[in-house]
Amino acid sequence: DAMVIQNPRYQVTQFGKPVTLSCSQTLNHNVMYWYQQKSSQAPKLLFHYYDKDFNNEADTPDNFQSRRPNTSFCFLDIRSPGLGDAAMYLCATSRGLGDSYNEQFFGPGTRLTVL
Amino acid sequence: AQRVTQPEKLLSVFKGAPVELKCNYSYSGSPELFWYVQYSRQRLQLLLRHISRESIKGFTADLNKGETSFHLKKPFAQEEDSAMYYCAVNTGFQKLVFGTGTRLLVSP
Repeated sequence: DAMVIQNPRYQVTQFGKPVTLSCSQTLNHNVMYWYQQKSSQAPKLLFHYYDKDFNNEADTPDNFQSRRPNTSFCFLDIRSPGLGDAAMYLCATSRGLGDSYNEQFFGPGTRLTVL
Repeated sequence: AQRVTQPEKLLSVFKGAPVELKCNYSYSGSPELFWYVQYSRQRLQLLLRHISRESIKGFTADLNKGETSFHLKKPFAQEEDSAMYYCAVNTGFQKLVFGTGTRLLVSP
């Protein structure tokens, strides 16, 4: 089945130690998104790629970076994780064609713990 | 700023009872509203969108621009409807702003 895959499902890192979360998709979608969801809060968009064009949300901390080396893969890099970065990180994709909204397809998420 | 408000964190009903999950939004443009659902141990997925005006799994939602609301309704709840429901607005360029979600618990 075509889908959005996130690895690992659970990630533990130490305060200040760089960490990378991975997302891959077999849907061949143009757009890939990263959301952060803290406990009992709404998923919050961090950034998205439309093909190779990177779009950062204005309030996304500089500590968060992203890479999209090809259509299938997108990475979220947290350069120096703080305790406040502990959250569920959701990857999503959409076709992104035309002006009408395209459904977003979500991965299962990676739960990040910062010790 | 665009905002989506879901006032209820938890909604608990009995099987067969009507359900209404509330959603209010603030958005300056012409809104596109959605309901996403997350069943236990499953990923977030689209339930329905206002523009398609369809009923999915017995759920409907009507966009009320005057009240800036997009409440999700079902006349007779089923146990399998128990899940986390998120209302979202498309703020343009395919970007979504989500509400904090409402957990629906349907008891037998």
